Amino acid sequence: KAGVTQTPRYLIKTRGQQVTLSCSPISGHRSVSWYQQTPGQGLQFLFEYFSETQRNKGNFPGRFSGRQFSNSRSEMNVSTLELGDSALYLCASSPGSRTEAFFGQGTRLTVV
Amino acid sequence: QQQVKQSPQSLIVQKGGISIINCAYENTAFDYFPWYQQFPGKGPALLIAIRPDVSEKKEGRFTISFNKSAKQFSLHIMDSQPGDSATYFCAASTEGFQKLVFGTGTRLLVSP
Repeated sequence: KAGVTQTPRYLIKTRGQQVTLSCSPISGHRSVSWYQQTPGQGLQFLFEYFSETQRNKGNFPGRFSGRQFSNSRSEMNVSTLELGDSALYLCASSPGSRTEAFFGQGTRLTVV
Repeated sequence: QQQVKQSPQSLIVQKGGISIINCAYENTAFDYFPWYQQFPGKGPALLIAIRPDVSEKKEGRFTISFNKSAKQFSLHIMDSQPGDSATYFCAASTEGFQKLVFGTGTRLLVSP
């Protein structure tokens, strides 16, 4: 069974630009969560989608948004990029509620 | 109250020794406590998890000890091996398993 696939793996963007990251969950998984990992703040929850609906949201500004499609694939978008948005963005998928989360390898975003 | 405090920040253990990582939490609503292992360039991988109705859970060389009254839980890695050298994160969640609050991580080095 294929794992969680995140694309692209690496991305370099300029301040002020926007970026879209993609996540394909494990087949059959309906929940997708996104996390930001930085050396300073560690792993922080961004949001979770289940059956195309956002169920939970972390404490991030509105520049961070996401969506989930009917095939459970998810995208997250960051608009008006700031230097501090440089991070590893991780996607995790789960079969549903109260089940283990499996992480992808992440997308390394560098904002210059 | 949403924090999970993890210690130590780094740990060096000789091959064959026991590695012990500790975490403490404040939010008594947390009802799921997983441990993740992360290698450089990879996403976190679920190692073992426990729920508060159990005081200990063992899977192979990995054991979680859970003290509900003290609001603490720990990971023990028995017979530590150089291949265990990685960063370990404890986490906790409520509202199902999908919104994980992570500790700050412990960088483990197992010397040959």
